[in-house]
Amino acid sequence: ETGVTQTPRHLVMGMTNKKSLKCEQHLGHNAMYWYKQSAKKPLELMFVYNFKEQTENNSVPSRFSPECPNSSHLFLHLHTLQPEDSALYLCASSQASGGGADTQYFGPGTRLTVL
Amino acid sequence: AQSVSQHNHHVILSEAASLELGCNYSYGGTVNLFWYVQYPGQHLQLLLKYFSGDPLVKGIKGFEAEFIKSKFSFNLRKPSVQWSDTAEYFCAVNPPRGSSNTGKLIFGQGTTLQVKP
Repeated sequence: ETGVTQTPRHLVMGMTNKKSLKCEQHLGHNAMYWYKQSAKKPLELMFVYNFKEQTENNSVPSRFSPECPNSSHLFLHLHTLQPEDSALYLCASSQASGGGADTQYFGPGTRLTVL
Repeated sequence: AQSVSQHNHHVILSEAASLELGCNYSYGGTVNLFWYVQYPGQHLQLLLKYFSGDPLVKGIKGFEAEFIKSKFSFNLRKPSVQWSDTAEYFCAVNPPRGSSNTGKLIFGQGTTLQVKP
């Protein structure tokens, strides 16, 4: 399954580092999403982009900064993270968002560890 | 708060046993419903979805789910599980139009299924 790819797959960073997560979708979709998956908790929606415009910020701390240069690419820029930010970060895409009936397709995730 | 609940957190079955995983949601109105599966080391994949029509939905790999509106439920079933079904299963809901979460996918906390050979 190569519809949605994410790099890197694993990332270890210190609290003072700056790093970026990358997501690319090859499905011709117009909506892209960032989710956080922590152990024993439901997936948490972080950001939604629809036609390159951010349409949702789910009260995410400013140390997470998304960027969507085009409909195929989505970045999550990370700086001064905390250990509790360690989690699996999932990217997803769908035809569009807001209509409610679009299936989301997920990438493999980036396993982030903050030391 | 409106939510999606999966009551079984960890299920252990022997091969050929029947499976039913519960999913309940608390949104009124018209919802879209999904089951996703995450095999070990792999990404989340769609198993099946319900938008409208026949409330009994067939998915991939022999899975099915039944939407019971009166019970706000969308339980996942499989008559005979295999070792390869070992995975984590997530129920998800698109809340109805007009709700604060319209257009979003709201996930349950997941159920880990372990199938013993």
